[in-house]
Amino acid sequence: AQRVTQPEKLLSVFKGAPVELKCNYSYSGSPELFWYVQYSRQRLQLLLRHISRESIKGFTADLNKGETSFHLKKPFAQEEDSAMYYCALKVDSSYKLIFGSGTRLLVRP
Amino acid sequence: GAVVSQHPSWVICKSGTSVKIECRSLDFQATTMFWYRQFPKQSLMLMATSNEGSKATYEQGVEKDKFLINHASLTLSTLTVTSAHPEDSSFYICSAREDRGRNTIYFGEGSWLTVV
Repeated sequence: AQRVTQPEKLLSVFKGAPVELKCNYSYSGSPELFWYVQYSRQRLQLLLRHISRESIKGFTADLNKGETSFHLKKPFAQEEDSAMYYCALKVDSSYKLIFGSGTRLLVRP
Repeated sequence: GAVVSQHPSWVICKSGTSVKIECRSLDFQATTMFWYRQFPKQSLMLMATSNEGSKATYEQGVEKDKFLINHASLTLSTLTVTSAHPEDSSFYICSAREDRGRNTIYFGEGSWLTVV
């Protein structure tokens, strides 16, 4: 079955603390994973994709096929990082995505 | 950057009527668009894949006759909720895959539907 799991509904950290948002997936093929972010009152936007191996706004994510995980990390959280984060899995060539349930990150001053 | 616009942003309709939501890619062509539904504090649930010039592909459990999708041009897909009922009240989001470049998916701002 194709599934994306984000176990944490809410993650609260203090400014400057490290952040790790967990994402696990279930997929029989070769996975292509994404992280999307939704700031308050804004639309979903792409944060990063695993094939690019990029770092956006200080966030990184590494695909671990052995653990079927794609956790999002940032060494020093900032208040402006507070948002809803969704992990997504591409499930066919049309770029159909299925989403995890999302994790709300709250960075306290 | 590329923009996807949804209209209306919010709509209230009476039970039994139909309502249409538009999804436009403003500065790029999109052969493929997607429609999602999001309940409060829940994730996005894919409803269907909208294909320009052909029939939409619906996800399991989504009623084709209830949620009519039309993708008549490379920049416009519409979702019509027919004979709406209060349980259809939700946040509907579309996304569009840019035909050129990195196949990036861009999301619309969403449309709130309230059926009374």
